[in-house]
Amino acid sequence: NAGVTQTPKFQVLKTGQSMTLQCAQDMNHNSMYWYRQDPGMGLRLIYYSASEGTTDKGEVPNGYNVSRLNKREFSLRLESAAPSQTSVYFCASRPGTLRETAYYEQYFGPGTRLTVT
Amino acid sequence: AQSVTQLGSHVSVSEGALVLLRCNYSSSVPPYLFWYVQYPNQGLQLLLKYTSAATLVKGINGFEAEFKKSETSFHLTKPSAHMSDAAEYFCAVMARGAQKLVFGQGTRLTINP
Repeated sequence: NAGVTQTPKFQVLKTGQSMTLQCAQDMNHNSMYWYRQDPGMGLRLIYYSASEGTTDKGEVPNGYNVSRLNKREFSLRLESAAPSQTSVYFCASRPGTLRETAYYEQYFGPGTRLTVT
Repeated sequence: AQSVTQLGSHVSVSEGALVLLRCNYSSSVPPYLFWYVQYPNQGLQLLLKYTSAATLVKGINGFEAEFKKSETSFHLTKPSAHMSDAAEYFCAVMARGAQKLVFGQGTRLTINP
């Protein structure tokens, strides 16, 4: 199993450009998450999807949109990038049923390092 | 609402010394608590978790943490530091039945030879 994969690994954008960060998981997990990591601030939740077909805002959703394309894939879109969106973005997934012993655990991808100039 | 405070953004210890990383949480409902580790340029990896079983939780790489409800703490310890423990460590809390994990700001652990 590859676990959680993210593309691209690195990206540089100019202010106002758009892009989509891709995330996929092969663990048949129900829930998926997008976080951003900034120095001294830990990880902050942008959006999450508790199950296929649903999405909800997290702590810092402004400037982002998401799509839960199917059970495996959860993409994050920046419509008009701003320098404040320079960050490392992590996708995570989690099992969806209490029967699974890892129900409470989130599994993280390797991250996408985004710079907006 | 849940929140996490990690005391000390940087901790430095000598190889072989005790590692103690502090985490205090706030939660309006009984919490689940986690410690994650992040090595340079990598994603986060779960070290250990507390989900209401034993209050002393053992994790990978010789780490353990104790849930103390009276002190609202979940400090991470390791008796003897190894050079490979150098990383950033995150404490996180989740309310039971919730979807969202709330992270602390992280503690960078440096190991001195």
